[in-house]
Amino acid sequence: SQQGEEDPQALSIQEGENATMNCSYKTSINNLQWYRQNSGRGLVHLILIRSNEREKHSGRLRVTLDTSKKSSSLLITASRAADTASYFCATGTQTGANNLFFGTGTRLTVIP
Amino acid sequence: DTGVSQDPRHKITKRGQNVTFRCDPISEHNRLYWYRQTLGQGPEFLTYFQNEAQLEKSRLLSDRFSAERPKGSFSTLEIQRTEQGDSAMYLCASRPTGTDYGYTFGSGTRLTVV
Repeated sequence: SQQGEEDPQALSIQEGENATMNCSYKTSINNLQWYRQNSGRGLVHLILIRSNEREKHSGRLRVTLDTSKKSSSLLITASRAADTASYFCATGTQTGANNLFFGTGTRLTVIP
Repeated sequence: DTGVSQDPRHKITKRGQNVTFRCDPISEHNRLYWYRQTLGQGPEFLTYFQNEAQLEKSRLLSDRFSAERPKGSFSTLEIQRTEQGDSAMYLCASRPTGTDYGYTFGSGTRLTVV
């Protein structure tokens, strides 16, 4: 399967703490994307990192990519209760497929 | 509203009935995707359109499933002879052509087959 896998499956932290989620994938990629999903809702695109990039920032988000290890991490700094959601990594592959392959997600709970 | 719209938000149907969902993508986006998501799982790819052409279908898309995108605008996903295993969230997404664009997802249609 080309699907990514997130780790941990669930994470619970106090408001103000940092949250780190990891993603591993199996095939060569064009890019890797992170999405957030609130319960029962659609997914919201957070950030995209290209295969030739190693780190990217967007506000309180920091994403790293290590193509040699086929892994990525998402860091959310100074977490807020509103960050409570499921977070998915998704990979766009180099195989010519024109769709994203999603992982199983990390369920983040930020306790006020 | 410039987002992706899906209709209906919820659908409850009896097993064996046919259902149809609609997706209105962002108007400038020529790529449209359908995904299915079950509880506790990530979205699984079903099919994608480039304008009106259906260019890729997943093996998950059995012959009971059909999707269309007439005129390259809105899209419909029909499930015939629904089964309980079809119960899921059906998500639509769109994006422009090109390799480095994120997807814009709709809020999804929650299907429950009873």
